[in-house]
This record gives sequence, C-alpha cells and structure tokens, in this order.
Amino acid sequence: DAGVIQSPRHEVTEMGQEVTLRCKPISGHDYLFWYRQTMMRGLELLIYFNNNVPIDDSGMPEDRFSAKMPNASFSTLKIQPSEPRDSAVYFCASRVGPSGQGDSGELFFGEGSRLTVL
Amino acid sequence: KQEVTQIPAALSVPEGENLVLNCSFTDSAIYNLQWFRQDPGKGLTSLLLIQSSQREQTSGRLNASLDKSSGRSTLYIAASQPGDSATYLCAVRPFNFNKFYFGSGTKLNVKP
Repeated sequence: DAGVIQSPRHEVTEMGQEVTLRCKPISGHDYLFWYRQTMMRGLELLIYFNNNVPIDDSGMPEDRFSAKMPNASFSTLKIQPSEPRDSAVYFCASRVGPSGQGDSGELFFGEGSRLTVL
Repeated sequence: KQEVTQIPAALSVPEGENLVLNCSFTDSAIYNLQWFRQDPGKGLTSLLLIQSSQREQTSGRLNASLDKSSGRSTLYIAASQPGDSATYLCAVRPFNFNKFYFGSGTKLNVKP
C-alpha cells in the first residue's frame, strides 16, 4: 500500500492568499484526521472524518479554516485567508474503523505539508 | 480531558546503551496507546500499538509496556544505534473516543 499521501510537501505563500492542502488516505480506512504540528504547541487535532462525514471540528482554530472530504479517497484542508501564524506542518492521518475482527485502531500518518506564510 | 506527558524532553546516550522512554497519561480509561517515531522533516511512523487489554508489545529491539492503573507506558530500546536518533511520541486513544492525544515527544540522540 502507498500509505497516506499528502500534497504539496512544501508551500510558501504570502499573507492573505488561499492555501489548499490535499490528502489521500489509505484505501479502506474509514477515519481521516487532520493535525497541525508546531514547536510551541506540538501536535494538535484540527478535525476528523468518519466515512467522509466530519465528526469533530472543535480543533479548527478559526473560520478561516475549512475541511472537506468529498469521497473516501480524498480530503482537503483550506485556509482562506492565510496568516503568518498559520505557518506549521499539517499532517493527514487515517485508520481503519471497527470490523468483524475488532478495531486495532492503528493510526498511519502522511509525510506532512510544510506551510510557510510570509 | 486526557493529558499526555513525556519526560525527558531530550535524551542523549552513547551507542549500545539500553534506554527507556516514558509516557504518562491522566485518565486510565483508554482504548489503546501507540508509539511513534518522527525523523526531522518527516511524518510519524508507527512503532508499536498496545491495546488496553495488553501489557506489552515487542518489535525487534523495541518493547513497549502499558500499566493503565498507574497511567504509564514505557518504550524500551535495546542496544541503541545512531539510526535510532529521532523524536519518539506516544499517543493515547481514550475509551469510546476516536481522538488521539499526543505527548510532546522525547528527542533521542544516540552518539556513535
């Protein structure tokens, strides 16, 4: 399996611009998570989806952030307008849901998208 | 709310030494606990997953233990190598929740 795939790996943009980050979860995984990592705050959960439905977006910092999952193989995280304090590494992760064999719950991460807002 | 703490924040050891990384959590009602490794500029790689019913898991030179009653997990690395240098994070998934709560990590440096 190719693992969780994120794009772009690096994004440099100017304040006020729109940023769209993309994620392809592992095939067959029912849950998708968006995290943000900074030196100051560590890993923060922004939002997660179950079967393409947003379940908990309480970690989304502001209305400037939005996330969608139009199908089981694709999700986006959008920031509009971007600000310098949004600079961070954004990770997407996925895991399989409960099945007849139980719920191992192992979480798999992508390589991340490093965002720099000037 | 579950809080996860990892101490120390950084650790430097000579090659060949056995070492233990610590993870503590405040609420013992957990579904599982997962240890990750993160190399600079990279994503998190899953090392070991321990279900709440388990006491330990082993993979090669790594052994992770779980003591729910005391809210602690340890990651034991045997015969450390320079290639083990990375940041190690633990994550706890509370029971009946799908969120994972992460510690801030222990940055390990293994000197040749």
